[in-house]
Amino acid sequence: EAGVAQSPRYKIIEKRQSVAFWCNPISGHATLYWYQQILGQGPKLLIQFQNNGVVDDSQLPKDRFSAERLKGVDSTLKIQPAKLEDSAVYLCASSSNRRGRINEQFFGPGTRLTVL
Amino acid sequence: AQSVAQPEDQVNVAEGNPLTVKCTYSVSGNPYLFWYVQYPNRGLQFLLKYITGDNLVKGSYGFEAEFNKSQTSFHLKKPSALVSDSALYFCAVRPPGDRGSTLGRLYFGRGTQLTVWP
Repeated sequence: EAGVAQSPRYKIIEKRQSVAFWCNPISGHATLYWYQQILGQGPKLLIQFQNNGVVDDSQLPKDRFSAERLKGVDSTLKIQPAKLEDSAVYLCASSSNRRGRINEQFFGPGTRLTVL
Repeated sequence: AQSVAQPEDQVNVAEGNPLTVKCTYSVSGNPYLFWYVQYPNRGLQFLLKYITGDNLVKGSYGFEAEFNKSQTSFHLKKPSALVSDSALYFCAVRPPGDRGSTLGRLYFGRGTQLTVWP
């Protein structure tokens, strides 16, 4: 079973520039998550999709961050414009959605973003 | 508010010795608890989870964790550490609710760096 794929693995941009990250979840996983992991901290959820609908985006800075999952499979996360404090690793995760079960999340390798 | 505490930033043990990585949580009701491990430049890998039932949960690579409701803890343990266990370990909690709920937010601790020396 292929894991969660993310690209790019690394990205360096200057502040006020735009950047986009891509995620391909495990085949058949209906739920997709984007997390932000700042150095020295645990991951923090930014947004959760159920198929192509947003379930939870309460922690997403909507003035600069956006995400979509148009066909219920791949997802993109965009930052526009980036700030220095956005420097972090952005993790994508997916899980199956079998009702009545608490399913673990499977994480991709992450995209390390450096904003200069 | 939900929170997870990992009181030790670093844990150092000798190979062959038992190891414990501590985790305590604060959440209303009975939580769902997870342990993940992160190797350098790689994503988080699932180790084990507690949902309900037996307080001792066994997971991957010989790891186990004990759920203690009275102490609100979920410590990760392994009887005999390996050098290859050296990594960053994260405890996470998912607040209780309808199991059919699609909400799956995990709250993570800050992580504990485990170093096992030969």
